[in-house]
Amino acid sequence: DGGITQSPKYLFRKEGQNVTLSCEQNLNHDAMYWYRQDPGQGLRLIYYSQIVNDFQKGDIAEGYSVSREKKESFPLTVTSAQKNPTAFYLCASSPRGALGYGYTFGSGTRLTVV
Amino acid sequence: AQKITQTQPGMFVQEKEAVTLDCTYDTSDPSYGLFWYKQPSSGEMIFLIYQGSYDQQNATEGRYSLNFQKARKSANLVISASQLGDSAMYFCAMREGQSFGNEKLTFGTGTRLTIIP
Repeated sequence: DGGITQSPKYLFRKEGQNVTLSCEQNLNHDAMYWYRQDPGQGLRLIYYSQIVNDFQKGDIAEGYSVSREKKESFPLTVTSAQKNPTAFYLCASSPRGALGYGYTFGSGTRLTVV
Repeated sequence: AQKITQTQPGMFVQEKEAVTLDCTYDTSDPSYGLFWYKQPSSGEMIFLIYQGSYDQQNATEGRYSLNFQKARKSANLVISASQLGDSAMYFCAMREGQSFGNEKLTFGTGTRLTIIP
């Protein structure tokens, strides 16, 4: 079955560490996205990528980095510069250009700073 | 300014009753799409329904319908005959424009719906 796989499901980070969240899709979608979800704030866009080797900052990109070396993969690194990284992170994908097509989401990664 | 506004942080509804979740949006683009997603406690996001700005009729998907009032910039989700399994967070989202490369969705803050047996 096609879908998006995020790993790990739970992740604990010490202060000052970088951590990488994995996102892999086998839907042959061109576009991929990372969102952050905090209680009461909905989903906020961190980064998105429309084609391989290209990506753009979203609304809250500071303290995060991404890469898109393969169509299937869009990993997110939470760097030590991100001062408040504890949140739920959702990865999504979509085909390009289809206005009526929503996103397909992964099951999320819950990151906690300890 | 908020592009998507959901004014109901939480709602409690008796099982089998209909429920309306409010969503207003703000855009100057004549071409846009509106989406509703459901997020159960497990965290995954489930696509429910879509309405295009040029669609003449309100969208329907099973027990879900979208009450689209374009002049008021309103896109409320109506769930008929609510079930216990409908208890979840519900998010309204918008995509502006039809141009290639403009697939970003902007989400509202969500409404937590609780169905009471």
